[in-house]
Amino acid sequence: QVQLLQSGAEVKKPGASVKVSCKVSGYTLTKLSINWVRQAPGKGLEWMGGFDPEYGEPIYAPKFQGRVTVTEDTSTDTAYMDVTSLRSEDTAFYFCATLFELPTMDVWGQGTTVIVSS
Amino acid sequence: DIQMTQSPSSLSASAGDRVTITCQTSQDISNYLNWYQYKPGKAPELLIYDASNLKTGAPSRFSGSGSGTNFSFTITSLQPEDIATYYCQHSDPLLFTFGPGTAVAIK
Repeated sequence: QVQLLQSGAEVKKPGASVKVSCKVSGYTLTKLSINWVRQAPGKGLEWMGGFDPEYGEPIYAPKFQGRVTVTEDTSTDTAYMDVTSLRSEDTAFYFCATLFELPTMDVWGQGTTVIVSS
Repeated sequence: DIQMTQSPSSLSASAGDRVTITCQTSQDISNYLNWYQYKPGKAPELLIYDASNLKTGAPSRFSGSGSGTNFSFTITSLQPEDIATYYCQHSDPLLFTFGPGTAVAIK
């Protein structure tokens, strides 16, 4: 059974960048579409972007285009999401998720807390 | 872009009550509509996919229906552990859009 294990909590200052990792176990990253979703305090779930192996390049929600970068290291089965120019509104839980057996995100990582504070 | 609305934005019901949440989309999305349960700090849980299919292992008190632009999600007998926010979500399939969510509380 596929599992996604995310990196630990981060505290960053405004203007900094953060890189969150998502390691795949029990399956091969090259066969998975890894997506990133966040939930900020008092806000709803937001899909940020992802990488689909059949499409072959990252896809981003318009809101995050230019500030978020999704990458993968297939040698370690690890996906990454970089967020630059952090601001307080980026304080959130960040999740990676994949479409494993169903046509939507059905397997999720445990989440990574990112706090942006001066 | 597809816009999604949910109604109500929040509700409070008694344990054992039947609860229904609706989701409306700005254009016809066939049955490409999913429902998630979210509890703060935990990973979202997929409950219903393709409008009406119950994910294996999800409790049978959860159900979904609809197609086109109008969808609904029902909890037939609300349980204390169902306290959460519920989101409808459209899969494009490469683009994903969540509705604004419905917070469910128990009286």
